[in-house]
Amino acid sequence: QKEVEQNSGPLSVPEGAIASLNCTYSDRGSQSFFWYRQYSGKSPELIMSIYSNGDKEDGRFTAQLNKASQYVSLLIRDSQPSDSATYLCAVNALGAGNMLTFGGGTRLMVKP
Amino acid sequence: DTEVTQTPKHLVMGMTNKKSLKCEQHMGHRAMYWYKQKAKKPPELMFVYSYEKLSINESVPSRFSPECPNSSLLNLHLHALQPEDSALYLCASSQGGTGGYNSPLHFGNGTRLTVT
Repeated sequence: QKEVEQNSGPLSVPEGAIASLNCTYSDRGSQSFFWYRQYSGKSPELIMSIYSNGDKEDGRFTAQLNKASQYVSLLIRDSQPSDSATYLCAVNALGAGNMLTFGGGTRLMVKP
Repeated sequence: DTEVTQTPKHLVMGMTNKKSLKCEQHMGHRAMYWYKQKAKKPPELMFVYSYEKLSINESVPSRFSPECPNSSLLNLHLHALQPEDSALYLCASSQGGTGGYNSPLHFGNGTRLTVT
């Protein structure tokens, strides 16, 4: 069974700090990796996609992928209270079409 | 703002009612999805349409009936639901059909369904 694991949190960081969110996956055939942000009562919003090993930066967000370790992470620099949300890791395997496997999500709390 | 539009935003229905959820996208995406999400849980896949054909049904009870009238529209018909079906129902779309693995999902704002 394909699994995507995240620490449920809450992960609490002070405003201005770096928040580090982690995700591990079990299927070595996984090819595409996505991070979604979901505010309470709202729908998931895509914030990062990453497909190859290494780092990908977009503004305050950096996604890191290590396929050998089956590990993907999201770093949020200069965390703001508005970043407080649940972050969902989603993974897609080659041959799975566009079926994503979601992790359980990590709740991030950024304290002023 | 999302490019996937869902209506209604909120729906309260009795167990004997029949209602429909609607979803529309104009991004030219060829795959559309229905997800169900309970509180503090990740989205749970229900159905996938690829090129207007139902390609995946994740063993969803028959009281949920999907319909894809065209490539831009997706409906979910509801009948004889149970209180435990109360959840946030999310529509999503992606660029490729089921053969494309690089396309992220784009979610609508969801319909908050309460079954009384």
